[in-house]
Amino acid sequence: DIQMTQSPSSLSASVGDRVTITCQASQDISIYLNWYQQKPGKAPKLLIYDASNLQTGVPSRFSGSGSGTDFTFSISSLQPEDIATYYCQQYDNLPLRLTFGGGTKVEIK
Amino acid sequence: QLQLQESGPGLVKPSETLSLTCTVSGGSISSNPYHWGWIRQPPGKGLQWIGNIYYSGTTYYNPSLRSRVTISLETSKKQFYLNLTSVTAADTAVYYCAKILRGLIPDHWGRGTLVTVSS
Repeated sequence: DIQMTQSPSSLSASVGDRVTITCQASQDISIYLNWYQQKPGKAPKLLIYDASNLQTGVPSRFSGSGSGTDFTFSISSLQPEDIATYYCQQYDNLPLRLTFGGGTKVEIK
Repeated sequence: QLQLQESGPGLVKPSETLSLTCTVSGGSISSNPYHWGWIRQPPGKGLQWIGNIYYSGTTYYNPSLRSRVTISLETSKKQFYLNLTSVTAADTAVYYCAKILRGLIPDHWGRGTLVTVSS
């Protein structure tokens, strides 16, 4: 099974700061990685798919990069409404399987 | 606009079967290349994929739950279903239904429903 290691588990940053979250796969997963935002009491929302593609309607301050085993998610300028937990999610096609990272809780300093 | 709504009992007794329904509105349940799936989240914890179903009826399950899970689909009702047998307290979670692009990318989620396993 592919394991996903997401870090940090939490972070605190100031409004306007650049925030970076990493996700590492235990083996090569090409670009098969998505990123989600989950606000308290709400369902997750897809932000980035296939490592670097911005979902329709998502602000451009969110971005993703990487391939193989190492992936990065960034918020270029943290806004108060970005307070949430962010998850990476890896997918396999053969056999079909979806695996989520442990999450990163982002707070305002 | 596409909406998904979970429904079902909020309390299930240990060893019994958890049964949930997801109703799809504002779109087709037979759209290619979409699957329909279930994902759960224990209180205060992370997300776990349970399984998917394609409109043809083909199913895919998380190996850790496969022996206890059945996902089915009723296209005429625009509903799909989750059955999880022999539940324990570890199955207490918010259960989300989702539309899953290519079976791999959950891009549209229901609001979720909390199911508590307790006697």
